[in-house]
Amino acid sequence: AQSVTQPDIHITVSEGASLELRCNYSYGATPYLFWYVQSPGQGLQLLLKYFSGDTLVQGIKGFEAEFKRSQSSFNLRKPSVHWSDAAEYFCAVGANDMRFGAGTRLTVKP
Amino acid sequence: DAGVTQSPTHLIKTRGQQVTLRCSPKSGHDTVSWYQQALGQGPQFIFQYYEEEERQRGNFPDRFSGHQFPNYSSELNVNALLLGDSALYLCASSSGTREQYFGPGTRLTVT
Repeated sequence: AQSVTQPDIHITVSEGASLELRCNYSYGATPYLFWYVQSPGQGLQLLLKYFSGDTLVQGIKGFEAEFKRSQSSFNLRKPSVHWSDAAEYFCAVGANDMRFGAGTRLTVKP
Repeated sequence: DAGVTQSPTHLIKTRGQQVTLRCSPKSGHDTVSWYQQALGQGPQFIFQYYEEEERQRGNFPDRFSGHQFPNYSSELNVNALLLGDSALYLCASSSGTREQYFGPGTRLTVT
């Protein structure tokens, strides 16, 4: 069965520092992988996706993620965090019936 | 280009009542999926509609039902509401098996 684990419930980084959010997945075939961001009380915004091909994918707002099949991971990175990046981040796997992780809440210190 | 829209924004219902939530997909999308997001959790897949048929269903009871109309808009119906049904209900649209775009959600409170 497909599943997603986000090991970090809450992460705090200083503005301008680099960021890495972890995501591990379990999936029987080549996975479709996604990162979404959610601000309080809002819907989910797609940051980036991986279907196939280049394992390093670029997304919106300066985010990127790297697919590592050997580690079953799809970690999200950003070289320099802005205060506006504070939000909840969700990793998801699947096609029609996406499975989401529990989310990682990002706090940005001034 | 309008994105995914959902109505109403908020809803308060009493246990045992029935509720209908509505969703209009992004222009050009023909597939609608529904998710339930309880407080502090990730979204959980309820079901997906394509060509007016339920294509796939998650682990939700039959109290949860849906419909897709010829214009691709969709409704989610929940009967015999329980306190545990209180959540943010998210609608997402897509074109085929591609990335899903989410609406702002409907916040349902059951008292």
